Amino acid sequence: QSALTQPPSASGSPGQSVTISCTGTSSDVGIYNYVSWYQQHPGKAPKLLIYEVSKRPSGVPDRFSGSKSGNTASLTVSGLQAEDEADYYCSSYAGTYVFGTGTKVTVL
Amino acid sequence: EVQLVESGGGLIQPGGSLRLSCAASGFTVSSNYMSWVRQAPGKGLEWVSVIYSGSSTYYADSVKGRFTISRDNSKNTLYLQMNSLRGEDTAVYYCARVGAWYFFDYWGQGTLVTVSS
Repeated sequence: QSALTQPPSASGSPGQSVTISCTGTSSDVGIYNYVSWYQQHPGKAPKLLIYEVSKRPSGVPDRFSGSKSGNTASLTVSGLQAEDEADYYCSSYAGTYVFGTGTKVTVL
Repeated sequence: EVQLVESGGGLIQPGGSLRLSCAASGFTVSSNYMSWVRQAPGKGLEWVSVIYSGSSTYYADSVKGRFTISRDNSKNTLYLQMNSLRGEDTAVYYCARVGAWYFFDYWGQGTLVTVSS
C-alpha cells in the first residue's frame, strides 16, 4: 500500500485559511469514506482532528474542516492561529490502513 | 479518561527481538480495535499492525512475518512482538485505539526503538 500524497509544506498568515490536499487512489480514498486527519506538534503524539472525511471529534474547533472529491481529500484550517503550526497527516482505510506523507504548516 | 501508556522500547542489535507493551485504561482493549503506528526519526507516520475485537490481525508488508500483535485481556494490555529487527525498524512506536470506523482516536505517548550495532 503506497502512502497517500500530501504537499510537503503549506503556510498562511494569522487569520487566513490554508488547505491541505491528500491524494490517493480508487482503492483507498476514492472508494472509502474513512479518511481521517491528524495534527502532530514536535515531540508529541498525533491528535485526531477529522474522521469519516468531515466529522470533528468533540473538542476540535470548527476552524478545522474536511472534504473529499474523487481520490483526493482535503483539510482546511480557517482563521489560522499560531498554535496551528504543526505537521498534518491524512489517513485512509483501504482494507488495512495508509497514512499520507505529511504536510508541515507554518504560520507566518 | 482514556489513557494508553507504551513501554519496552530501547536499543537493540540488528537481528534481535523486542516486545512492546501498551497498557490501556478507561476502556476495554478486548472490545476495541487496537493498532500500532510507527514514526522513523524525522519521517512520517507508518501504520504497522491492527488487531480487531474478534482477534483477526493484519500487518504492513514491511513487518509481515517478523512482528506479531497480541493482547492480554486480563491485563488490558496490547503487545507488539518484534523479531529479526532491522535498522529500518528504528522509530517511535505508538499504540492507538481504532475508533468506529477506522480512525485512530486515542494515542499513547510513544516508545523509541533503536536498532543499531
